Amino acid sequence: SAVISQKPSRDICQRGTSLTIQCQVDSQVTMMFWYRQQPGQSLTLIATANQGSEATYESGFVIDKFPISRPNLTFSTLTVSNMSPEDSSIYLCSVDQGGWAQETQYFGPGTRLLVL
Amino acid sequence: GENVEQHPSTLSVQEGDSAVIKCTYSDSASNYFPWYKQELGKGPQLIIDIRSNVGEKKDQRIAVTLNKTAKHFSLHITETQPEDSAVYFCAASIDDYKLSFGAGTTVTVRA
Repeated sequence: SAVISQKPSRDICQRGTSLTIQCQVDSQVTMMFWYRQQPGQSLTLIATANQGSEATYESGFVIDKFPISRPNLTFSTLTVSNMSPEDSSIYLCSVDQGGWAQETQYFGPGTRLLVL
Repeated sequence: GENVEQHPSTLSVQEGDSAVIKCTYSDSASNYFPWYKQELGKGPQLIIDIRSNVGEKKDQRIAVTLNKTAKHFSLHITETQPEDSAVYFCAASIDDYKLSFGAGTTVTVRA
């Protein structure tokens, strides 16, 4: 399975500021995903990031708030912009691996964000 | 979109006993059902998955069953150990990558 790292692992930020989270994978992958996990809650997909194209956002998430970059097949960033306390969550990146109809999704360790 | 319901929300079992978590899904087109284990401070870890062409899958003490007609699938953990204590999430997907997650089950194994 893919080895995924995220930076930073955690951060405390002031409201109104922005934070960029990095996700690095040890192998080339076509699809990368960004999820949000609010305190004590389940995982919600923010967007899908494919290299060479614009990210696809899920309902309730917009590019101005969560801009995403995918410059190559092993790296992606998610920026949480103009933060408010409601953005306090765990942000997770994940990747798909496997052949056609056999894809399996693996998650990184997450970035724990607290907004004051 | 897909809606996944997961029960129970919390589960406490005696070490050595079995634990069962059940999930239902709404979209009959869903064909991929992974289970993740999340320990405190860590990301979700894939522990087992099943696809719609299979009714049951087993990996040591963990098994998953799928009933496509009833649109539900279950995780079975036998001979539970303290290290099985974690939050477990089920998920469903139509196209292998866009996962819809259940709300999670907090499992506590009592020594």
